[in-house]
Amino acid sequence: AQSVTQLGSHVSVSEGALVLLRCNYSSSVPPYLFWYVQYPNQGLQLLLKYTSAATLVKGINGFEAEFKKSETSFHLTKPSAHMSDAAEYFCAVRDTGTASKLTFGTGTRLQVTL
Amino acid sequence: GAGVSQSPSNKVTEKGKDVELRCDPISGHTALYWYRQRLGQGLEFLIYFQGNSAPDKSGLPSDRFSAERTGESVSTLTIQRTQQEDSAVYLCASSLTGDAHYEQYFGPGTRLTVT
Repeated sequence: AQSVTQLGSHVSVSEGALVLLRCNYSSSVPPYLFWYVQYPNQGLQLLLKYTSAATLVKGINGFEAEFKKSETSFHLTKPSAHMSDAAEYFCAVRDTGTASKLTFGTGTRLQVTL
Repeated sequence: GAGVSQSPSNKVTEKGKDVELRCDPISGHTALYWYRQRLGQGLEFLIYFQGNSAPDKSGLPSDRFSAERTGESVSTLTIQRTQQEDSAVYLCASSLTGDAHYEQYFGPGTRLTVT
């Protein structure tokens, strides 16, 4: 069975500071991994995805994530936070096999302060 | 082009009533998913449709929940005899096919409040 753990339900950073949102996964088969962002009262938007190509994945809005198999991690980073980055971020895993659903973590709410 | 749309955007219902939630997927997308997002929690998978194949209902929490999809078009999620614990945002997503590398596109959700 797959699972995703996101450490820290709330993260607060200053504008211009590094953003680091943590995600660890478990999967019995090589996974695909995703980060989604959810702005207030909106649906989920895909930030980036890992599908077994390059381990460092670049996404939209300056975010990137690195797949580390040895650590079973897929942490999301951004060098310099912007006020508009304030949102909820979800990490998700998907089997590369026949199961097609996404299994989500519980989310991390990012607050950006002046 | 148009994204995934859901209706209604908000629904308030009394405990014990039935509700129907609607999802219009992106045209041409054969795969459709329903998820539930309870307050402060991640998304829980409910059900998955792929073309004309039998749906994967493994995530439905009880027999009060059911969903239908006609061909590759609209889907409805029905909750019978609603309970307060059914209060959540119900999200629909579609993708080109169910293959794992295809992105799931999410609708804005229906916020259900059971009083």
